Amino acid sequence: SQTIHQWPATLVQPVGSPLSLECTVEGTSNPNLYWYRQAAGRGLQLLFYSVGIGQISSEVPQNLSASRPQDRQFILSSKKLLLSDSGFYLCAWRGDSKDSPLHFGNGTRLTVT
Amino acid sequence: EDQVTQSPEALRLQEGESSSLNCSYTVSGLRGLFWYRQDPGKGPEFLFTLYSAGEEKEKERLKATLTKKESFLHITAPKPEDSATYLCAVQKRDNDMRFGAGTRLTVKP
Repeated sequence: SQTIHQWPATLVQPVGSPLSLECTVEGTSNPNLYWYRQAAGRGLQLLFYSVGIGQISSEVPQNLSASRPQDRQFILSSKKLLLSDSGFYLCAWRGDSKDSPLHFGNGTRLTVT
Repeated sequence: EDQVTQSPEALRLQEGESSSLNCSYTVSGLRGLFWYRQDPGKGPEFLFTLYSAGEEKEKERLKATLTKKESFLHITAPKPEDSATYLCAVQKRDNDMRFGAGTRLTVKP
């Protein structure tokens, strides 16, 4: 069966520091991968998605970037964090069928101080 | 503008008290409507996919229905372990899934 791992679970970083969040998927090949951010009381906001190695699409211009160095690895990064980057970050994968559901990791709670 | 609106924002029920959650959407070209359950501090867990008006899906005490403008998640005789935030999402096109803000359900014993 497929599993998705996301780490760290929580992170506290000062403003201006770099960020690296990692997500890996097991049990499937060539998944579509996604990064979402969830703010309290608001819906999930799609940040990036990837349909293959090195292919990244950005949905929201911002202080963040994403990379997919391997088929089942997705990384969310920032060179300099802003206070507004605080939130709950979720990685998700989806299979080949374009109408299949997203499957989420357990998220990273990021607090920028 | 495409929108997904869930109501109510929060719902408190007594154990055994059935109710419904609503997800209304204004999306042209709907390709699917998804329901998720999210526990505090966790990622959303997939529950159902509905593709066309009139479709229904059931899982234990949960039943999801779909019309051309909205979806309902009916909870029959809920238990405290059903307490969670329920999210709906609509897919309009490839890699474009729009989420509602969720309904926070609390079931008291």
